[in-house]
Amino acid sequence: DTEVTQTPKHLVMGMTNKKSLKCEQHMGHRAMYWYKQKAKKPPELMFVYSYEKLSINESVPSRFSPECPNSSLLNLHLHALQPEDSALYLCASSQGSPTSGVTDTQYFGPGTRLTVL
Amino acid sequence: AQSVTQLDSQVPVFEEAPVELRCNYSSSVSVYLFWYVQYPNQGLQLLLKYLSGSTLVKGINGFEAEFNKSQTSFHLRKPSVHISDTAEYFCAVRGTSGGSYIPTFGRGTSLIVHP
Repeated sequence: DTEVTQTPKHLVMGMTNKKSLKCEQHMGHRAMYWYKQKAKKPPELMFVYSYEKLSINESVPSRFSPECPNSSLLNLHLHALQPEDSALYLCASSQGSPTSGVTDTQYFGPGTRLTVL
Repeated sequence: AQSVTQLDSQVPVFEEAPVELRCNYSSSVSVYLFWYVQYPNQGLQLLLKYLSGSTLVKGINGFEAEFNKSQTSFHLRKPSVHISDTAEYFCAVRGTSGGSYIPTFGRGTSLIVHP
């Protein structure tokens, strides 16, 4: 099973709202990733968790707050977003740490389509 | 550090015709290479990958790609496309050594299959 699940599928929120995106995998993968993708563009890396610790933060604004409660779950907490944050948010996972050099493959979830009004 | 160039932003083709989507990369170290497909309003799905061994790699849905080290290319091919192959295709590269192994994605190629 190479499935990564994400909820919700769609989310509409105002600029003053607080919401969370959820990601789950049961493949025993130890690295999990958040990406942001605008239409017709490649995914842009936001955060990487390795063994439940934040290992990479690509200078993402603090209105995005990641959390990894356990090895299977990854959350992205959203607060005071801007309209330009509207995008598809993708979660991915891979077997080992991004710095381990193993022949890892990233597996992606279906994404959450976020619209900020 | 590495980079990926997908020269064609859009490739229109008729159903049952062959197609090639081009991908060139640049890296100071050895690389692993990937092709992902993204159907409308969906996540990225792995089509195929080159890690080592045979330079001709076969993937899902009848796609294949050939790793050419001298030309630093990893072009994706399919001998006969279907309407259902209409999607965005991303080539990605990651290094095999040197620190971070986060893949770098190309800008994507939109494959449009006409009936």
